[in-house]
Amino acid sequence: DAKTTQPPSMDCAEGRAANLPCNHSTISGNEYVYWYRQIHSQGPQYIIHGLKNNETNEMASLIITEDRKSSTLILPHATLRDTAVYYCIVSFHSSNTGKLIFGQGTTLQVKP
Amino acid sequence: DAGVIQSPRHEVTEMGQEVTLRCKPISGHNSLFWYRQTMMRGLELLIYFNNNVPIDDSGMPEDRFSAKMPNASFSTLKIQPSEPRDSAVYFCASSGRTGKEGNTEAFFGQGTRLTVV
Repeated sequence: DAKTTQPPSMDCAEGRAANLPCNHSTISGNEYVYWYRQIHSQGPQYIIHGLKNNETNEMASLIITEDRKSSTLILPHATLRDTAVYYCIVSFHSSNTGKLIFGQGTTLQVKP
Repeated sequence: DAGVIQSPRHEVTEMGQEVTLRCKPISGHNSLFWYRQTMMRGLELLIYFNNNVPIDDSGMPEDRFSAKMPNASFSTLKIQPSEPRDSAVYFCASSGRTGKEGNTEAFFGQGTRLTVV
């Protein structure tokens, strides 16, 4: 699985958009980009995933560059409850979807 | 659905004792994963099962660790004998095939916080 690089921490004002970057320059053609987050003392939670097109769901948007070497997770209106560690993971989309290689992630602090 | 259920939520045991962690995956899911989380090493995949069969146990740290999945609705992770360095939060996750796209996401339990003294 390709390796990802994320900034260790970021701050965001409540109500503003949070843009979390991720580099995955060694991604292969059939690997997907997944985002999970972990709120303190809870298990990781799936947010969104994509292959090459931008994706949006009720939680977030995922923007993947054309060369697929980087992506950005966007939380459009961050709330205090979005304070968490956000993990960007590259993985094959198969029966082993839960086989995830977690890095250190980005700790997002949403401030009032 | 109640989600992935793990028990116990907290476990404190003495070094040398046997510890058994339990997991009930989401009904209908065909893959189950055990992870361990520590401050030093972050989240690590220990082992995963597909259709109750262990597929990859390369993440299991040593022979003291063993995992079983006797049926589709239950799995255990056992540590015997336990050591202080096994202290961590252990997560179980499950995922299931969802139509032509295959599996889409993994659902994690709330974890078991293990302390070995």
